Amino acid sequence: EAQLLESGGGLVQPGGSLRLSCAASGFTFSSFAMSWVRQAPGKGLEWVSAISGNGGATYYGDSVKGRFTISRDNSQNTLHLLLTSLRAEDTAVYYCAKGRPWFGDNYFDCWGQGTLVTVS
Amino acid sequence: QSALTQPASVSGSPGQSITISCTGTSSDVGGYKYVSWYQQHPGKVPKIMIYEVSNRPSGVSNRFSGSKSGNTASLTISGLQAEDEADYYCSSYTSSGTLVFGTGTKVTVL
Repeated sequence: EAQLLESGGGLVQPGGSLRLSCAASGFTFSSFAMSWVRQAPGKGLEWVSAISGNGGATYYGDSVKGRFTISRDNSQNTLHLLLTSLRAEDTAVYYCAKGRPWFGDNYFDCWGQGTLVTVS
Repeated sequence: QSALTQPASVSGSPGQSITISCTGTSSDVGGYKYVSWYQQHPGKVPKIMIYEVSNRPSGVSNRFSGSKSGNTASLTISGLQAEDEADYYCSSYTSSGTLVFGTGTKVTVL
């Protein structure tokens, strides 16, 4: 059974940085694109970023482009998201989600429990 | 990329059918078959209900169905049950090479 476990969230000041991680298990990690999706308190889902299975292609939403960097370590079955130049509006629960081999086929069939990032 | 437009709320009585719309543009919903729907109960993680417009993952009740016409996708829940009360989000691939979610719809079972 596929499982995802995020870590790294916390309280950070505006302008600060944070690195989120997502440990994957139960599936062939390198075969699937992975995404980060966030949800501000009481708000809807927002897709943040995605990375291809081999890490060669990365994709970002307009609101985070140039500030966030997605990466993966297939030898460690781990996904990362580096958040920099953080703003109050980045406050949210950040979920990692398992996709399909191609990220555009947004079939997120496994989600982590989420990690809360608070910018204040 | 603007969020796809969904009604804020939809309600129905047990046993009834309801439909949630998801309106985008020809650059997202209208241009691709990659439209998905997610269900999220309060305090829980989203769960995929429909993918590629109308396909149901294994384990999802056949009371859930999806369709698309032009720039609008729809999720229909038939035989509404109390457990269907949740928030529902659509999502689509876009011509910008990104993904976009809908604004979300709260389904209430009366």
